[in-house]
Amino acid sequence: QITLKESGPTLVRPTQTLTLTCTFSGFSLTTSGVAVGWIRQPPGKALEWLALIYWDDDTRYSPSLKTRLTITKDTSKNLVVLTMTNMDPVDTATYYCAQSSYNWNVLTWAFDIWGQGTTVTVSS
Amino acid sequence: QSVLTQPPSASGTPGQRVNVSCSGSSSDIGTNPVDWYQQLPGAAPKLLIFGNNQRPSGVPDRFSGSKSGTSASLAISGLQSEDEAEYYCAAWDGSLNGPYVFGSGTKVTV
Repeated sequence: QITLKESGPTLVRPTQTLTLTCTFSGFSLTTSGVAVGWIRQPPGKALEWLALIYWDDDTRYSPSLKTRLTITKDTSKNLVVLTMTNMDPVDTATYYCAQSSYNWNVLTWAFDIWGQGTTVTVSS
Repeated sequence: QSVLTQPPSASGTPGQRVNVSCSGSSSDIGTNPVDWYQQLPGAAPKLLIFGNNQRPSGVPDRFSGSKSGTSASLAISGLQSEDEAEYYCAAWDGSLNGPYVFGSGTKVTV
């Protein structure tokens, strides 16, 4: 059974750096064709993809947030870390991590399993 | 602002069929497969359809997806009360290297 769980601060001050951890089980991020991504959702708004890290350490970022984001992994501890610098109130959202695995039949990546999400408020 | 356009709402009575549309461009839906996610109230999103029309294990066959050109559609047949949720389409933009773009979401009311 694959599970993911996000953790991190619930309150962040403007200009601070946010660090979120995704701890997972049931799969290995050393397995070819596996990735973990981060997606956020501001209150009452749509989902927004942030970043993705692949089994081979390759990474992808949202173009609009690329300069502020860093995604890393620790395969020995089964976790993925997302850092976002220079936080602003507009970054207030629920942040989700999700597992993705490449589907060789339809040749695509989708986010198969999601964590429960962690809510982050940015306020002074 | 979402890249993919969905109607804000859709509704139906139990047993009816509801369709949710998703409009994109040549670089996203026009190039790559479309995925759909269901988000029940207060819950995390769940993958409903991937690769335009594939259902993950455990997803009822009442849910189906299709794509034509730069648009996609999710159909829910035999609508049930537990289908009341927000539905999001998504696709990779450009190559599968990203970004992954979501739709604006459609609230389905039963």
